[in-house]
Amino acid sequence: GAGVSQTPSNKVTEKGKYVELRCDPISGHTALYWYRQSLGQGPEFLIYFQGTGAADDSGLPNDRFFAVRPEGSVSTLKIQRTERGDSAVYLCASSSQPAEGVYTFGSGTRLTVV
Amino acid sequence: AQTVTQSQPEMSVQEAETVTLSCTYDTSENNYYLFWYKQPPSRQMILVIRQEAYKQQNATENRFSVNFQKAAKSFSLKISDSQLGDTAMYFCAFAPDGGATNKLIFGTGTLLAVQP
Repeated sequence: GAGVSQTPSNKVTEKGKYVELRCDPISGHTALYWYRQSLGQGPEFLIYFQGTGAADDSGLPNDRFFAVRPEGSVSTLKIQRTERGDSAVYLCASSSQPAEGVYTFGSGTRLTVV
Repeated sequence: AQTVTQSQPEMSVQEAETVTLSCTYDTSENNYYLFWYKQPPSRQMILVIRQEAYKQQNATENRFSVNFQKAAKSFSLKISDSQLGDTAMYFCAFAPDGGATNKLIFGTGTLLAVQP
């Protein structure tokens, strides 16, 4: 597609439930990133994929968070046993030039845990 | 730790005037990238301007320019001839390990309001 697409745009879930957030990057972009933006804060890095593999997952806060990119294109961020503190906007970005610091961001998924 | 600090939570400017947003960062690296991103209510982070640390010349993009002071670790954004559409959150960001960039470190943002 022309841009980075994230679905759903908004997601409300109950505490303790499992959620999946999807990111469809720009076609041909090998690098894909997930960020989490809490209210009133800047985005914080979660995980970086180069192709199908997670090149850096140092930003994942705990083992309830997991992300996959099985075919090197679409990525899914999975959160188990959601907590109210997980409420945030989850942003995805992709790049064909990660070494040049050139990224395109999606519009994010706003996750609300009630 | 590498950090980015934006000390102005909110700024206001009159339409057609000039405004400067401040950003400082902390790093021991010599090669890196600096960015300003705009985030309107649509939530998408839009790249405004990008600076490579090894370049002494300040980057410019139309009405947007930066004042990059490497020794002072300062990277301010100047918006000239402000327009109503410039109203948004502005984030300063730092990318370490120039040439092996895999993450951005963001500041907490400045909310800019352009008044008619």
